[in-house]
Amino acid sequence: AAGVIQSPRHLIKEKRETATLKCYPIPRHDTVYWYQQGPGQDPQFLISFYEKMQSDKGSIPDRFSAQQFSDYHSELNMSSLELGDSALYFCASSSGRAVSYGYTFGSGTRLTVV
Amino acid sequence: GNSVTQMEGPVTLSEEAFLTINCTYTATGYPSLFWYVQYPGEGLQLLLKATKADDKGSNKGFEATYRKETTSFHLEKGSVQVSDSAVYFCALSTGNQGGKLIFGQGTELSVKP
Repeated sequence: AAGVIQSPRHLIKEKRETATLKCYPIPRHDTVYWYQQGPGQDPQFLISFYEKMQSDKGSIPDRFSAQQFSDYHSELNMSSLELGDSALYFCASSSGRAVSYGYTFGSGTRLTVV
Repeated sequence: GNSVTQMEGPVTLSEEAFLTINCTYTATGYPSLFWYVQYPGEGLQLLLKATKADDKGSNKGFEATYRKETTSFHLEKGSVQVSDSAVYFCALSTGNQGGKLIFGQGTELSVKP
């Protein structure tokens, strides 16, 4: 079965650089969520989109922005990178805002800022 | 606010031992409850879920029962295997938060042969 695809799997950037993370949801899923997981920490919700509109916002820094495109894929743009942005970034998708179903996570993008 | 508290790890068990990982929650409304598992270097996989009080979620020998009276969702398995070694996250989601998951801090399980 198709899963949530994230790219790239690994990314190394220098401080103050920009990074773009991509997420391709499961076909026919219209909702995308982004989470950040620091080393040894639990995932923290960043932002979500439903039908290409932002639906909820969590602890996402102002330096980050995201959007969902017409084909439902989503991109997380991160500017002025800081060492503390080093983390695993997960995308998840669901059909509708199906709270009770739990949703499917991608394998994540590991971002290292040096 | 909504929150999830898990027992601290790491938890180290011998193969075939009984596993319990405690999880309690605080939530307004009626949350759905989940257990996710994260194997080393991998993403989060949904292990099981329960959407209302007294529901029991089960998968791969793991079980958890939604206990509203004790606001708990403890994870259990009767006989663990080395392959169960992973980090386990308890999580909740409420309908008024658009599907956002709130995670506990995770419990690392290490199973020795």
